[in-house]
Amino acid sequence: GEDVEQSLFLSVREGDSSVINCTYTDSSSTYLYWYKQEPGAGLQLLTYIFSNMDMKQDQRLTVLLNKKDKHLSLRIADTQTGDSAIYFCAETPRSGNKLIFGAGTRLAVHP
Amino acid sequence: DAGVIQSPRHEVTEMGQEVTLRCKPISGHDYLFWYRQTMMRGLELLIYFNNNVPIDDSGMPEDRFSAKMPNASFSTLKIQPSEPRDSAVYFCASSLGREKLFFGSGTQLSVL
Repeated sequence: GEDVEQSLFLSVREGDSSVINCTYTDSSSTYLYWYKQEPGAGLQLLTYIFSNMDMKQDQRLTVLLNKKDKHLSLRIADTQTGDSAIYFCAETPRSGNKLIFGAGTRLAVHP
Repeated sequence: DAGVIQSPRHEVTEMGQEVTLRCKPISGHDYLFWYRQTMMRGLELLIYFNNNVPIDDSGMPEDRFSAKMPNASFSTLKIQPSEPRDSAVYFCASSLGREKLFFGSGTQLSVL
């Protein structure tokens, strides 16, 4: 079946790199996404990667995709307190029209 | 663009009352999604529309929930009668094509 799994919590020191991991089940997914949710707000599309890519970099964000292992990661360089949020991994299975979200990883950034 | 607009931001009601949540998608988007978020169940897709037509409502919990999209710029999610277990944050999202969803700020619903 369709499933997206993430670890629930990550704590990092300000200035360090954060790596949030995700595994998915549908190898035919066309796009994979990272969304960010700040307290009291909706989900904001952070970045995405097309399934035929291995890596995508956007300023402090690096997305790595390992299709063989169905593993997606989001690396945040120089993590700041403003990066504290819940990060959701999501996929669009080729079999359906709807996004499948993981449970979200809560990132806590401490001084 | 103002983004996806939801109203109200907060709703407190008593069990048994009717609740109507509203959503204005981004102009030009052809998909609209309603999600519910709770601590226990995470983010759940309730229903989605394509060009104002409901495509998949398999996530709607039960007959107490209904959703409509009378035109491309407006959708409602109605709960009648409401129950305490319906308390959650309800998000509306829209997209052009089924990719890259844009979410509203959500409606925090509390049913007492």
